[in-house]
Parts: sequence; structure tokens; C-alpha cells
Amino acid sequence: EVQLVESGGGLVQPGRSLKLSCLASGFTFSNYGMNWIRQAPGKGLEWVASISSSSSYIYYADTVKGRFTISRDNAKNTLYLQMTSLRSEDTALYYCARSESYFDYWGQGVMVTVSS
Amino acid sequence: DVVLTQSPATLSVTPGERISLSCRASESVDTYLHWYQQKPNESPRLLIKYASQSISGIPSRFSGSGSGTDFTLSINGVELEDLSIYYCQQGNSLPFTFGSGTKLEIK
Repeated sequence: EVQLVESGGGLVQPGRSLKLSCLASGFTFSNYGMNWIRQAPGKGLEWVASISSSSSYIYYADTVKGRFTISRDNAKNTLYLQMTSLRSEDTALYYCARSESYFDYWGQGVMVTVSS
Repeated sequence: DVVLTQSPATLSVTPGERISLSCRASESVDTYLHWYQQKPNESPRLLIKYASQSISGIPSRFSGSGSGTDFTLSINGVELEDLSIYYCQQGNSLPFTFGSGTKLEIK
């Protein structure tokens, strides 16, 4: 069974940093591209970043470019999102999701709240 | 960026109805258009990929059609458990984008 489990969220002050993790199981992690997608409270879905299976290709939404870094450790079956210079508008539920054009498996999400 | 416009924003339905939800792209996305269902307090679930391809485990009452800029998600015989928000998403070009969603409500 495919499972994606996010962790690392919490309450953080504006301007500070936070690192999210997503532990994958039930499939060969190193064969799949991975993504971070977020959802602000009561709002729709926003794609944040993608990384290819071997980390050769990495893409970001303009809203996070230069502040967020997506990475992965295939030996640990883990996807990461390093978030710096956090803003109030980054407050959202962050999902990790598998695949490269469509998102076929999603984690349960981890909440990030940016507030003083 | 490709803008996806979903309509209607809210749809009131009666169980058993056949309904159609629309998703229009601001430029062609070929068939790189995917549909998701999100129930309250749950993660989104993939319903249809590449405009019309079915997904294992998804009830057969869900179907998709379209190509280019106009797409439709149909539910043939709405059930109470289908009350959710439905999102379309394009995977043709970066940044990947989502529509704003259609919320299904009971009439």
C-alpha cells in the first residue's frame, strides 16, 4: 500500500525557517517524481514544487522561488521542503504527492502556520 | 501560466441525477487535464487522468471528456458520498495549475 506521511509542520514566526519531510513507503520511491502542493485554510490547491526521480529536474512556483528548496533522499525514501523567509501567506496545509503530470497519491498533509 | 476556470462554483444536486462539471483552460493543454475529488477534511483523490482515463478503484459513474481547452467531468447518478469539491488540474506546462473547484451540494 502506497503511503506518504508528512511531518515537520508547526507555528513559526514571519521570516523564520521550517523544514518539512515526507516519508514514502509501499512503492519504489526512486522511480517517481514527487511534489509539494499546499492549501491555505478554506482555499483551493496550489502547486508549490516538483522534483524528478533522480533530482535532475526541479521546479518551483513563482510564489516560493528563491525561498523554498525541494530535495529528496532516495536512500531514505524521503522528500523534503526547506522553507525560509516565511510569510503569513505561506500559512497552509502542505501535501506531498507522487508523480509528474498528475498526482496519484497524496499524504494527509502537514499544517504550517506563519504568525507572530 | 495556464488559468483553469471551473463552472459552476457550486452545484446543488439531487441523488440519482446525472451531472456535468466544466473546466476551461486559457490555452490548450492537449489532454493533460486531470480531475480530483476532495471531501471535507480529507486529502484530494485522483478521479480521472489525461482527460478521460479511468483510475483503478474509482466508481464507474465518474467519467471525463474533452481535449484542448474544454473539459467535462460527468457523474452518472450522483450519490450522497459524492458531495465534495472537485478540482481540475493541468499537467501540460509548468507551473502546474488547479481550477478553483466546483462544490457539490445536496438540493
